[in-house]
Amino acid sequence: GQQLNQSPQSMFIQEGEDVSMNCTSSSIFNTWLWYKQDPGEGPVLLIALYKAGELTSNGRLTAQFGITRKDSFLNISASIPSDVGIYFCAGPSNFGNEKLTFGTGTRLTIIP
Amino acid sequence: DTAVSQTPKYLVTQMGNDKSIKCEQNLGHDTMYWYKQDSKKFLKIMFSYNNKELIINETVPNRFSPKSPDKAHLNLHINSLELGDSAVYFCASSQMGSSPLHFGNGTRLTVT
Repeated sequence: GQQLNQSPQSMFIQEGEDVSMNCTSSSIFNTWLWYKQDPGEGPVLLIALYKAGELTSNGRLTAQFGITRKDSFLNISASIPSDVGIYFCAGPSNFGNEKLTFGTGTRLTIIP
Repeated sequence: DTAVSQTPKYLVTQMGNDKSIKCEQNLGHDTMYWYKQDSKKFLKIMFSYNNKELIINETVPNRFSPKSPDKAHLNLHINSLELGDSAVYFCASSQMGSSPLHFGNGTRLTVT
């Protein structure tokens, strides 16, 4: 089946630093989604990407849909404490939009 | 004004028991889901219902039986609970054909 691998698996950064993470797939995706999960809560959609090469921003977050359609990137600029959490990429399976495959997650920790 | 709500938030029970988790969404979506998140935070789809009809049924043991009385509700009943069922179960909803899922805050199930 489809697999989404995220790297890095975890990150420890200081407040104010920029963050970069990526997601790679063994097959082509037509949509890329980035979610964030805070402790004790469900994942919340951050950014949705629908076209190869697309670059989309949401505040300090910027995500890109890779040209090969097999990868996507998420950048966070000037990190703040509330950025702590687990970031997941996701994409619809061959079945369709109703079956999302989630990545393995990147856990972001901010060191005081 | 909670969008996707699950009850209970925590569920601790013994092996062999039967338990249910309830989910309701007030977003007017026509599709609802159950996802399981294991101890490594990996999110995997279990079931999906569209307008009360089952459309996705992953290879989940038949001890798990979802029920959708109407398109705003999707409950999950689990029979003969096993230790390996311990996880966080997330309900989600979306509008068919539109990828972004809206998640509830999860039910942490602990089987002892």
